[in-house]
Amino acid sequence: DQQVKQNSPSLSVQEGRISILNCDYTNSMFDYFLWYKKYPAEGPTFLISISSIKDKNEDGRFTVFLNKSAKHLSLHIVPSQPGDSAVYFCAASAAGSARQLTFGSGTQLTVLP
Amino acid sequence: EAQVTQNPRYLITVTGKKLTVTCSQNMNHEYMSWYRQDPGLGLRQIYYSMNVEVTDKGDVPEGYKVSRKEKRNFPLILESPSPNQTSLYFCASSLRTGMGANVLTFGAGSRLTVL
Repeated sequence: DQQVKQNSPSLSVQEGRISILNCDYTNSMFDYFLWYKKYPAEGPTFLISISSIKDKNEDGRFTVFLNKSAKHLSLHIVPSQPGDSAVYFCAASAAGSARQLTFGSGTQLTVLP
Repeated sequence: EAQVTQNPRYLITVTGKKLTVTCSQNMNHEYMSWYRQDPGLGLRQIYYSMNVEVTDKGDVPEGYKVSRKEKRNFPLILESPSPNQTSLYFCASSLRTGMGANVLTFGAGSRLTVL
């Protein structure tokens, strides 16, 4: 049973437009959520995180929104750039779980020039 | 440069031939972990270690072993590899302050093919 789900395997966006990547979770005990970006032949790299006490966290072009009632989070990239083309993984952790990260299946973002 | 180093990066082997994938980090991180990435399944945790001599199973530990004799090293051992262990493997580490998000630093990955 996947506790963290990314239902869109792929997303294509025009350069300069907004990219919205979505993630749903089922475990109400998750209290930290993270996004990682992965380029081919490289390991995932940390992008941005959000605590469950917040509903928004912003870092430059990247903003993560959290809707706890819907158990849904999203990553917004504005404006999208070709260099943003990568696989994006969302991940979640719960207190008391040794902070193990549970990952989603990933979304391949392609930003078209 | 702060990093997690995995070796080998690519390996083709045959069923039953024992192999070890090494992982080393130079950041003095307490926490280390192994993941495998498979299409449609994302990253699944194999084993993790909270500190030296402390290891525990993740979600998919069958067929794997680990050891943590030194803080910097966390090798992944496949005693008798099988084709279903063909995958992309990642080692990761973190400081683990005990508060907040557990932000992992990943290695570049090891692509293993078992024939």
